[in-house]
Amino acid sequence: ETGVTQSPTHLIKTRGQQVTLRCSSQSGHNTVSWYQQALGQGPQFIFQYYREEENGRGNFPPRFSGLQFPNYSSELNVNALELDDSALYLCASSFDRNGEQYFGPGTRLTVT
Amino acid sequence: KQEVTQIPAALSVPEGENLVLNCSFTDSAIYNLQWFRQDPGKGLTSLLLIQSSQREQTSGRLNASLDKSSGRSTLYIAASQPGDSATYLCAARNYQLIWGAGTKLIIKP
Repeated sequence: ETGVTQSPTHLIKTRGQQVTLRCSSQSGHNTVSWYQQALGQGPQFIFQYYREEENGRGNFPPRFSGLQFPNYSSELNVNALELDDSALYLCASSFDRNGEQYFGPGTRLTVT
Repeated sequence: KQEVTQIPAALSVPEGENLVLNCSFTDSAIYNLQWFRQDPGKGLTSLLLIQSSQREQTSGRLNASLDKSSGRSTLYIAASQPGDSATYLCAARNYQLIWGAGTKLIIKP
């Protein structure tokens, strides 16, 4: 059984650029949730996708957008990057919307 | 609005000690509560998940309890080892996971 994977591992972008982060869910899971974790803080919920539909969104601006594909993998897109977007971005998959979440290793995004 | 607090923010104990990490939440209408471990610069490893109808869960040297009425959960680690050193986070699920800031645990050999 393959766990949750994320790509890339690290990324450096310039303010104003756009970025796409990718997540492959664990086999058999139909739900993907995305989180942003700033240094020294707990993760903050960005949004969740269930069966290709957005199923809840945290307090993040519209420049944070997502997508879930028929194989339940997912993308997080961030437009017009700001310095405060520098963080560890985590995705988690689960068997259903309220199930136990299994996390990927994260993507470390640095915005300069 | 759910708020999750973890106390203490940091803890350093000698190897072999039993210890308790605390997690409190303000809204008792949760589906479940989950404890995670995070090593520096790494992702999250799920340790234990307690459903709202349960009082505790155990896995090896770890035991997590849940008291919804008081808005508290504890993670008990028995016979601590240096390999237990990490940041421990709890997260309460209403419609989404709301996280505490974590307790950074250091086990001294």
